[in-house]
Amino acid sequence: GAVVSQHPSWVICKSGTSVKIECRSLDFQATTMFWYRQFPKQSLMLMATSNEGSKATYEQGVEKDKFLINHASLTLSTLTVTSAHPEDSSFYICSATTSGRFTDTQYFGPGTRLTVL
Amino acid sequence: AQSVTQLDSQVPVFEEAPVELRCNYSSSVSVYLFWYVQYPNQGLQLLLKYLSGSTLVKGINGFEAEFNKSQTSFHLRKPSVHISDTAEYFCAVRRSTGFQKLVFGTGTRLLVSP
Repeated sequence: GAVVSQHPSWVICKSGTSVKIECRSLDFQATTMFWYRQFPKQSLMLMATSNEGSKATYEQGVEKDKFLINHASLTLSTLTVTSAHPEDSSFYICSATTSGRFTDTQYFGPGTRLTVL
Repeated sequence: AQSVTQLDSQVPVFEEAPVELRCNYSSSVSVYLFWYVQYPNQGLQLLLKYLSGSTLVKGINGFEAEFNKSQTSFHLRKPSVHISDTAEYFCAVRRSTGFQKLVFGTGTRLLVSP
């Protein structure tokens, strides 16, 4: 149990275009999902936290207009990188958590590698 | 605020040797502690976690960690490593109450050679 998927696993896009990344909890309902960004050989940095049906809470320094997060259902959150530029190239990882059986554990997706040309 | 320090960026070991990956944390409030493993181009997998109770925590793949409150440490150990243990290991901390924000260390790359 506790499987989180991400789609796509990798994406290459041209500068100026927008890219949407999906994060799904496959076998549990995720009241809260997190989006992280990881630069090569570095740690994960939390970008934002999203609760189902609410606006996302962004970490300091993260542009909310550039990284649009939508948590429309208990199993799906999306991250849209708008007007992507080469500096947005990174590994994006989502995680999900819920109350009850999975209390206090975040389950991570496999990540999405974004390359902006 | 919480912070995590993983002093060793890379730890090379030979197969079947024991290994310890160090993690120290800082927090003014009670915390939960986690170790995650990341294989190349993959997400993170939970190895083990300390929430409360016994300070010696056993996880998957033969790993264990010991919570030491006085030394604010949560070192990860394995008595005998395999080639397949080669990966990046992240220590993480979060408050034991309230918002579930995980704060990660910078990671330690475990390199197991034959």
